[in-house]
Amino acid sequence: AQTVTQSQPEMSVQEAETVTLSCTYDTSESDYYLFWYKQPPSRQMILVIRQEAYKQQNATENRFSVNFQKAAKSFSLKISDSQLGDAAMYFCAYRSLESGNTPLVFGKGTRLSVIA
Amino acid sequence: DSGVTQTPKHLITATGQRVTLRCSPRSGDLSVYWYQQSLDQGLQFLIQYYNGEERAKGNILERFSAQQFPDLHSELNLSSLELGDSALYFCASTEMDHLPRNTIYFGEGSWLTVV
Repeated sequence: AQTVTQSQPEMSVQEAETVTLSCTYDTSESDYYLFWYKQPPSRQMILVIRQEAYKQQNATENRFSVNFQKAAKSFSLKISDSQLGDAAMYFCAYRSLESGNTPLVFGKGTRLSVIA
Repeated sequence: DSGVTQTPKHLITATGQRVTLRCSPRSGDLSVYWYQQSLDQGLQFLIQYYNGEERAKGNILERFSAQQFPDLHSELNLSSLELGDSALYFCASTEMDHLPRNTIYFGEGSWLTVV
C-alpha cells in the first residue's frame, strides 16, 4: 500500500518570505498523481496544486509551486511571497492511476504559521 | 463552494447512540468517498462508492456502514458510538472516469462530538 510522509509537523515563515514544505511517498507504481491540499481553520479542504507523475515539468499555480523528484519519491511545496492567509494545515496526498477512481492517501499534515 | 453538500454540519450525541451523516455529491459525480479526520490528524479513508456500489474500503470500523442511493447521495451510518469516534467526517466526490485524473472535491465536513 502507498504511504505518504510529511516529516515537518509545524513550520513558520515571515510574511512575504518563501517556505518549502516537504513530502515523501512510497509506491511501487509508475503512474500516479500527487496533490497538496490546504486546510484553513474553517477545516475546508482546498486543492492547492497537483502533479501528474508522468510529467517532468513541475506544476505551478501562482505563488505555489512544487519540486517533484520522481526517483527520490519526493514532492515538496514551495510557497512564495507568503501571506497571512496562507496560514493553514497543508496535506500532501497520493492517488494511484493504475486502478480506476482510487481514493486519496494523505500524509499527516504540516501546520504552517505566517508571522506578520 | 465545492458543490459537495454535507449535513448536518455539527452533531453532538451520547456514547452508544447511532447517527447518520448525509452527503450530496456534485451534480454529475458518480463516485463518493468518506474520510475521517480526528483531532490534529490527517484524513483517513473510510469507504468509496461508485454509482451505488461499494468500490473500495479503507479503515472503516464494523460499527460503521455506508450506502449510496439511486439519486447518488450517500449516507454514513455510525453506531454504538464511542468517545473516540469524535471527529470531522468528510465526504468527497468526483466524476467517473476510466482514469483517476479528475479532481476530488470535498464537502465542508460534518463535525461529530460524542459525549
